[in-house]
Amino acid sequence: GQNIDQPTEMTATEGAIVQINCTYQTSGFNGLFWYQQHAGEAPTFLSYNVLDGLEEKGRFSSFLSRSKGYSYLLLKELQMKDSASYLCAVMDSNYQLIWGAGTKLIIKP
Amino acid sequence: TAGITQAPTSQILAAGRSMTLRCTQDMRHNAMYWYRQDLGLGLRLIHYSNTAGTTGKGEVPDGYSVSRANTDDFPLTLASAVPSQTSVYFCASSAGDGSGGYTFGSGTRLTVV
Repeated sequence: GQNIDQPTEMTATEGAIVQINCTYQTSGFNGLFWYQQHAGEAPTFLSYNVLDGLEEKGRFSSFLSRSKGYSYLLLKELQMKDSASYLCAVMDSNYQLIWGAGTKLIIKP
Repeated sequence: TAGITQAPTSQILAAGRSMTLRCTQDMRHNAMYWYRQDLGLGLRLIHYSNTAGTTGKGEVPDGYSVSRANTDDFPLTLASAVPSQTSVYFCASSAGDGSGGYTFGSGTRLTVV
């Protein structure tokens, strides 16, 4: 079956760095996405990785290793507004997105 | 502002009643999707449409139906609501093969009592 695993919840301190991991097992691979979802709101697109390596976008970076079925989202210089759920999703061979349950990130002052 | 509009924002529905959740996009995206999101679970695909005139079943299609008469609209109908359909429903769209990401509507919070 298809499976996306990510931690349920993480806590970090304002100004620090946090890494959210995602492992996946899917039928085919056409890219991995990270989305941010604030409570009561819709998910918003953060990043897309289809090749191995690190993609940097401001304070956020996303890494992919296809051979290991592994990705992480790195958030630097954490701000209180970064408190949200972070969703990992993989596009399978049918170009359908398979979603993880999300990681709730709590930022403490 | 370009994007996806969902209506209603929230609804309380008596079990056994029918209801249509509306979704309209103005980005001319070819693909559209309906998801439900429940606490502790990932987004689960209900139905999708790769292009106007075609639809397909997702992971949890039972109890739901969709239509795609044109590019912009993708309504979701519950023929006879049951309490297990209490959820937050998101409509989304994507262009091309979806590698540019999905754009989501603001969601409909549905409570079936």
